[in-house]
Amino acid sequence: DAGVTQSPTHLIKTRGQHVTLRCSPISGHKSVSWYQQVLGQGPQFIFQYYEKEERGRGNFPDRFSARQFPNYSSELNVNALLLGDSALYLCASSLSPDRQGVLGYTFGSGTRLTVV
Amino acid sequence: SQKIEQNSEALNIQEGKTATLTCNYTNYSPAYLQWYRQDPGRGPVFLLLIRENEKEKRKERLKVTFDTTLKQSLFHITASQPADSATYLCALDITNTGNQFYFGTGTSLTVIP
Repeated sequence: DAGVTQSPTHLIKTRGQHVTLRCSPISGHKSVSWYQQVLGQGPQFIFQYYEKEERGRGNFPDRFSARQFPNYSSELNVNALLLGDSALYLCASSLSPDRQGVLGYTFGSGTRLTVV
Repeated sequence: SQKIEQNSEALNIQEGKTATLTCNYTNYSPAYLQWYRQDPGRGPVFLLLIRENEKEKRKERLKVTFDTTLKQSLFHITASQPADSATYLCALDITNTGNQFYFGTGTSLTVIP
């Protein structure tokens, strides 16, 4: 059974550009969360989606947006990229928010975004 | 402000010894706390969860304690092995709804053969 799949694995963008990152959760998982991890820091919560609805939002600017599709896959969009957006973007899936507390997240390997 | 803090210094221990990692938090009353392992270039891997009414949880060579009065969790790896070398992260659900998990900064552990 496939784990959490993220694409692309690496990406280089120029300041001011837009980027779309994609995530496919584990089969049967309906909740997807996005995290940003800057080198040397822990993951920072960006969004959580469950059943296509936003269930949680972290302290990130409106340049960050996301959505979840009927097949439970998800996209994270970042507009007007800044140098400080360079990070590893992690997608995590779980059966549901309440089951996340029991079983934990399953993370993908992430997308390494570099903004130049 | 709300914070989750872990040992800021990297931890180096000799193989076979017990590694102890600390997670301290402020301004939260979490129903449970999770521990993850992260290897370089990879996503975190879920290890253990401990609930607020549990003082201690064990899984093979891993042991976690949770003191809600001190607002602290300790993570122990007994009989450590070089393969245990990684960064270890603690995580809390600050809303207790499963919707918003916040991670600590992580502690880098190196087990020396």
